Amino acid sequence: NAGVTQTPKFRILKIGQSMTLQCAQDMNHNYMYWYRQDPGMGLKLIYYSVGAGITDKGEVPNGYNVSRSTTEDFPLRLELAAPSQTSVYFCASSKASGVSNQPQHFGDGTRLSIL
Amino acid sequence: QQPVQSPQAVILREGEDAVINCSSSKALYSVHWYRQKHGEAPIFLMILLKGGEQKGHDKISASFNEKKQQSSLYLTASQLSYSGTYFCGSPYNNNDMRFGAGTRLTVKP
Repeated sequence: NAGVTQTPKFRILKIGQSMTLQCAQDMNHNYMYWYRQDPGMGLKLIYYSVGAGITDKGEVPNGYNVSRSTTEDFPLRLELAAPSQTSVYFCASSKASGVSNQPQHFGDGTRLSIL
Repeated sequence: QQPVQSPQAVILREGEDAVINCSSSKALYSVHWYRQKHGEAPIFLMILLKGGEQKGHDKISASFNEKKQQSSLYLTASQLSYSGTYFCGSPYNNNDMRFGAGTRLTVKP
């Protein structure tokens, strides 16, 4: 019953460094999402994917990149880390689109600090 | 374009009821409700798709008004385990989900 697995759980980066946040799901879901959540705030969509090879921007995509080469994996790349990217990052997956009756299943999050 | 939630925070005693509202100036495709405990991932509660729909399980239920511009989450006879932050979300298009800022619910003994 793994569901959505995110790694790492915590990370501290220096300004200008790069890193990849990993996300994998074992539910054979076509739809996957990356959100960021700043302290005391709601979730903001960064990127989403409707299937392998297909990605699209969400509300706050600047400073991030994604790829989706397999159904299972949806990594999020930060190229030049900035303090404004300090946040908790959640990956989610769902069986069908947002307008359906299918819920999103969230991973446990990656807590990222940029110093 | 985000749904607007109210209130921002509410404090209850065990056994009391609460209502959390989620509204929009335009009709929503659907409304998703999630609960998040501190330091954890959001957990799905329910989805409402149709205007006039009502859903519920146990003592947590929700409604979606006829114009699909407002949804309300009802928590009755609250328990300590109900504490957390409740989010509503709605797709801006098919897949671009937008969430409200959340309502922090604290249930005290």
